[in-house]
Parts: sequence; C-alpha cells; structure tokens
Amino acid sequence: DQQVKQNSPSLSVQEGRISILNCDYTNSMFDYFLWYKKYPAEGPTFLISISSIKDKNEDGRFTVFLNKSAKHLSLHIVPSQPGDSAVYFCAASAVGSGGGADGLTFGKGTHLIIQP
Amino acid sequence: GAGVSQSPRYKVAKRGQDVALRCDPISGHVSLFWYQQALGQGPEFLTYFQNEAQLDKSGLPSDRFFAERPEGSVSTLKIQRTQQEDSAVYLCASSSYSGGTEAFFGQGTRLTVV
Repeated sequence: DQQVKQNSPSLSVQEGRISILNCDYTNSMFDYFLWYKKYPAEGPTFLISISSIKDKNEDGRFTVFLNKSAKHLSLHIVPSQPGDSAVYFCAASAVGSGGGADGLTFGKGTHLIIQP
Repeated sequence: GAGVSQSPRYKVAKRGQDVALRCDPISGHVSLFWYQQALGQGPEFLTYFQNEAQLDKSGLPSDRFFAERPEGSVSTLKIQRTQQEDSAVYLCASSSYSGGTEAFFGQGTRLTVV
C-alpha cells in the first residue's frame, strides 16, 4: 500500500509557464515533507522541504504548499525552465514520531518535461 | 569528499553470487541510509545507521541482505546469493541530522542479476 502517491507519471509544461506537481499521502504520522529532483544516472538531489507546522515554503522559483487536512502537497515551479526537466520525487518522514523508521517514504515520481 | 560516493557504479552478478556495495558518506554525517530503487519506482527504504549503530533494518527484504557501518563512516551493503528480483539501483544517503530530513544521495549502484 503506497503511503505517498504521485498520481501523474509525467507532466509536460511549456517553458516560462508554471509547473505544478502533486503528491498525496495517507500516513497521518508524517510531519516533514521533501521534494527531490533526479536526473538520469544521478542520485536524487534535495530541492525543498516543508514542516507540517507550515502550509507554504518558498525558495526562489520553487514553492511547496501543504494542505494537512487533505493530506496533499504540491510543488510549484515558476517560471519553468528547460533545466527543470527531470523526475521529481515527493518524500515524507515521521520525524517527530520518536521511533520506527527514520528513513524517507518516497512516491513513484513524476517526470516533468519542459517544452521549449 | 564533497558528496556521497558509491562504488561500484555498475555491477553485474550471476544469480547466486554474493555482492558488496560500498558507500562513502559526507564526512561528519551522523546518519546513513540505504534505499533500493526498482525500475519505474521511487526509492524504498532499506536500513538506517546513526554512527555505527544500525537503528532500523525493517526495510531489508530478506535475511540475504546485510548492512554494516563498523566505524561510523563507510558503509557496506552485502547481498548474499543474489536473485533476479534483487536487480535495482541501490542508493546511499547521508545526513548531518539524526533523522531522514534533507539527506544527500550518492549516484547509486546499478545491480543487474543475470
């Protein structure tokens, strides 16, 4: 049973427009959420994160929104650039749970393609 | 080194062979994680070390999988009697925190069992 779901395997966006990547989770113990970006043949690279005490975190062109009641988060990239073409993974952690796995639970990823 | 380093980058093993995958974390990082990423999937947690202590190994798929970090730095993931379903990319990540937040990943080792 997938605890972190990214329902769009791929997304195509025109350069300069906004890219919105979505992620849903089922485990209410998750209290820290991250987005990772992955290029082919490379490991995932940390992009941006958000704690469950916040509903928005912004870093340059990247903004993550968290809706705890809906167990939903999204990553907005604006404006989208060709270098943003990659696979984006949503990940979650139960940092404050005090026990159990300290690792991240990942979604399956969304392949973002920025069209020139 | 500047980042997490994994070796080898690629490994082809015959079914039944034992393999050892190495991870050099970022110097000084307390936490070290191993993940398995099958084709078309996200990384799946295998095991977690805090310094030399293996605090969580709940993700290891079978007793053929074994990980160690004897001096709290370099870690080795060993897979005994490899099976075809073990074919995947094995990712190592390290973090300066005691949790999984903002972990830095290596490039991974792509294991193919034939």
